[in-house]
Amino acid sequence: GAGVSQSPRYKVAKRGQDVALRCDPISGHVSLFWYQQALGQGPEFLTYFQNEAQLDKSGLPSDRFFAERPEGSVSTLKIQRTQQEDSAVYLCASSFTISGGNRYNEQFFGPGTRLTVL
Amino acid sequence: QKEVEQNSGPLSVPEGAIASLNCTYSDRGSQSFFWYRQYSGKSPELIMSIYSNGDKEDGRFTAQLNKASQYVSLLIRDSQPSDSATYLCAVKLRDAGNMLTFGGGTRLMVKP
Repeated sequence: GAGVSQSPRYKVAKRGQDVALRCDPISGHVSLFWYQQALGQGPEFLTYFQNEAQLDKSGLPSDRFFAERPEGSVSTLKIQRTQQEDSAVYLCASSFTISGGNRYNEQFFGPGTRLTVL
Repeated sequence: QKEVEQNSGPLSVPEGAIASLNCTYSDRGSQSFFWYRQYSGKSPELIMSIYSNGDKEDGRFTAQLNKASQYVSLLIRDSQPSDSATYLCAVKLRDAGNMLTFGGGTRLMVKP
């Protein structure tokens, strides 16, 4: 079946611009996660949704970052007034659930959006 | 101390050899452990998950978990040049909700 999809794959923004990154999870997956990956480092957690509820946003680096998943499917990560330090790959992952058997907790990643802020 | 630690490498092994990748974690109560493979310019791909002490084998891959010593390892048998990638260890820490905490990754190079 189709995996996690993300768009755009690449985004170049001028400092101060707003950007919106989209994630379409695997069909039927309840949980959706956003991670940020800087070059040469492992992904770092940003925020997590279960259906439409944002249950954890502790990883969002500032109030310029905002995420939503209004209908419990597609999610958008919005970054306002982008700064150069926001340049990174933004990864979306989904899992079937977060409860139940362990196998259903496995997270599958989309291809990512590479954001470059000039 | 980082919560999940890996040697950054590069780890270089000859084709056909066993590659051994290690990961330590700080939270003794952690229950779920994952290995992801990430090719350059690509996103992480799940290759193994392990939840209980001991070994779990899947094809050429074996994950080993030792909760008492707080380490998890990945063995790749009969290494191939196509295995050359960065391997990310990820842990669902006990007190960190449902997110994954990643190590920095180990770069593996398999030389023909």
